[in-house]
Amino acid sequence: EDQVTQSPEALRLQEGESSSLNCSYTVSGLRGLFWYRQDPGKGPEFLFTLYSAGEEKEKERLKATLTKKESFLHITAPKPEDSATYLCAVQASETSGSRLTFGEGTQLTVNP
Amino acid sequence: DTGVSQDPRHKITKRGQNVTFRCDPISEHNRLYWYRQTLGQGPEFLTYFQNEAQLEKSRLLSDRFSAERPKGSFSTLEIQRTEQGDSAMYLCASSLPVTSGGAFYNEQFFGPGTRLTVL
Repeated sequence: EDQVTQSPEALRLQEGESSSLNCSYTVSGLRGLFWYRQDPGKGPEFLFTLYSAGEEKEKERLKATLTKKESFLHITAPKPEDSATYLCAVQASETSGSRLTFGEGTQLTVNP
Repeated sequence: DTGVSQDPRHKITKRGQNVTFRCDPISEHNRLYWYRQTLGQGPEFLTYFQNEAQLEKSRLLSDRFSAERPKGSFSTLEIQRTEQGDSAMYLCASSLPVTSGGAFYNEQFFGPGTRLTVL
């Protein structure tokens, strides 16, 4: 069974204080690893997909990396508007269906 | 480009009543997914469609739940005889899978969700 574990559960940062969120996964045949941002009461907003170990993607202050067992979301010099829950999900091989299996998320708070 | 839309955004109902939610995917997306999310948890997969065909259902989808996508465009999710445990955010997502250079790309885009409260 596919499993995704995110850590920490919650993270408080001061504005400008860089940090990383972790996503560990167990999946049979990784098709893709997804990062989403979710604001309270809203649907997840797509950020990145990573498809193979060693791949990196960047968007503004966010950078996602992937190894064979985990992914990191690095946040450089965060701002208060980066406060949200960050969700990690995996998609297994097509024979397992097209579902995403999500972790429980990391709730990030950036204080001014 | 219009994103995924869901209606209603909020629904309050009494235990035992039936409710129906609607999802309109991004136009030309042929896959449509339903997920359920409870407070403090990540979304959990319920079911998905490719065009009008329902290809997979989670064991979370009890007999009281039914989903349709009659013309391969919008979808409805109905819950019969609602229970308090059905209270959650119901999320819809859509995608257009692409195979390129031997790789498979299937990015799912989510709607705003329907918040269900069962009293």
